Amino acid sequence: DIVMTQTPLSLSVTPGQPASISCKSSQSLLFSDGETYLNWYLQKPGQPPQLLIHEVSNRFSGVPDRFSGSGSGTDFTLKISRVEAEDVGFYYCMQTRQPPWTFGQGTKVEIK
Amino acid sequence: EVQLVESGGGLVQPGGSLRLSCAASGFTFSSSWMNWVRRAPGRGLEWVALIKEDGREKYYVDSVKGRFTISRDNAKNSVYLQMNSLRAEDTAVYYCATDRVQRWGQGTLVTVSS
Repeated sequence: DIVMTQTPLSLSVTPGQPASISCKSSQSLLFSDGETYLNWYLQKPGQPPQLLIHEVSNRFSGVPDRFSGSGSGTDFTLKISRVEAEDVGFYYCMQTRQPPWTFGQGTKVEIK
Repeated sequence: EVQLVESGGGLVQPGGSLRLSCAASGFTFSSSWMNWVRRAPGRGLEWVALIKEDGREKYYVDSVKGRFTISRDNAKNSVYLQMNSLRAEDTAVYYCATDRVQRWGQGTLVTVSS
């Protein structure tokens, strides 16, 4: 199974400041079709998770452009250019390169 | 608009069974992989099971293999999760999700307790 490791596990951010979360996979997430199957999700309190970024760097429909994803192979990063109060919650990376799909442990983001 | 509506959760005793359902609309269900994902209290997200378009390929997380079965009915635009031999550690909110886990339902709570 592919192991996903996120850092940090918690983050306290001043509104308007940037934030960054790292995700490393135990194997390359590059698939034979040329795509790299790494997604980022945010689960806000009391809500289901929502997809933010798919295939490393593609913002999902309706996701603000302050969210961006980058990386390749086994190393990936989610960046929030200017954190807003509504961005609090748990962030997860997830690989869909090969079943079983696996999530990172999650990063709790709170506002200072 | 894509809609996923889970149902079937509830309180069940250890060793018992439940069948979760997810009714889908707003997309071509028969062309979509479907997943179940759960979040236990105080824990992170855990992918549980995947079924491909025609139902012939299925995958499970190790902790549920032999106990849970994912299935689908493309005529009814629905996916199911049959959960047997339930344990306390299966207590979680269960979500269905499309394809490579893109769109999610609101979830249904399963509580395994005596």
